[in-house]
Amino acid sequence: SQKIEQNSEALNIQEGKTATLTCNYTNYSPAYLQWYRQDPGRGPVFLLLIRENEKEKRKERLKVTFDTTLKQSLFHITASQPADSATYLCALLSSYNTDKLIFGTGTRLQVFP
Amino acid sequence: DAGVIQSPRHEVTEMGQEVTLRCKPISGHNSLFWYRQTMMRGLELLIYFNNNVPIDDSGMPEDRFSAKMPNASFSTLKIQPSEPRDSAVYFCASRLAGQETQYFGPGTRLLVL
Repeated sequence: SQKIEQNSEALNIQEGKTATLTCNYTNYSPAYLQWYRQDPGRGPVFLLLIRENEKEKRKERLKVTFDTTLKQSLFHITASQPADSATYLCALLSSYNTDKLIFGTGTRLQVFP
Repeated sequence: DAGVIQSPRHEVTEMGQEVTLRCKPISGHNSLFWYRQTMMRGLELLIYFNNNVPIDDSGMPEDRFSAKMPNASFSTLKIQPSEPRDSAVYFCASRLAGQETQYFGPGTRLLVL
């Protein structure tokens, strides 16, 4: 079955450092992958989308990579700030139904001043 | 733009009672998704609609759950009878035709005692 894994342990880093979050998947050939941010008590908010034929995508301080050989995506936040503290979810398009997103369980990021 | 609107934001009910969750998608969006989020299972797709028609309800846990979309601006998710294991945060999301990004509402936090 299709499976997405994100590190369930919280990632704690110091302000100004680069945060790197990992999303691994198995039994998949997704057309694209998305990253969402979720704050406590709120719904997920879309951040970035990267397609299978793209290696890297950037948006301001955010960078996403997509390695279809390793079946892995990395999500980087450079010059992290306390305001970046949130849970980050990766989501892949189901290979069986192109309308469906399959979400990982998310990784909580805590940026300390 | 008001975004996706969900009501109620919080619901506390007793086991056996009927629960109705409501969602108003973003105007002009033609796809609507219902998700459930728990600590153990993360964000799971329950059902989604395209142009008010249910397309895939394979994520609906059992017959106690039902969803309707009578028009393009309103959808309901009903649980009857409710059980304590239904306690979770329920999100509604909408999407514009041809786009990949889903826009989530603030969620309904349901507690079944």
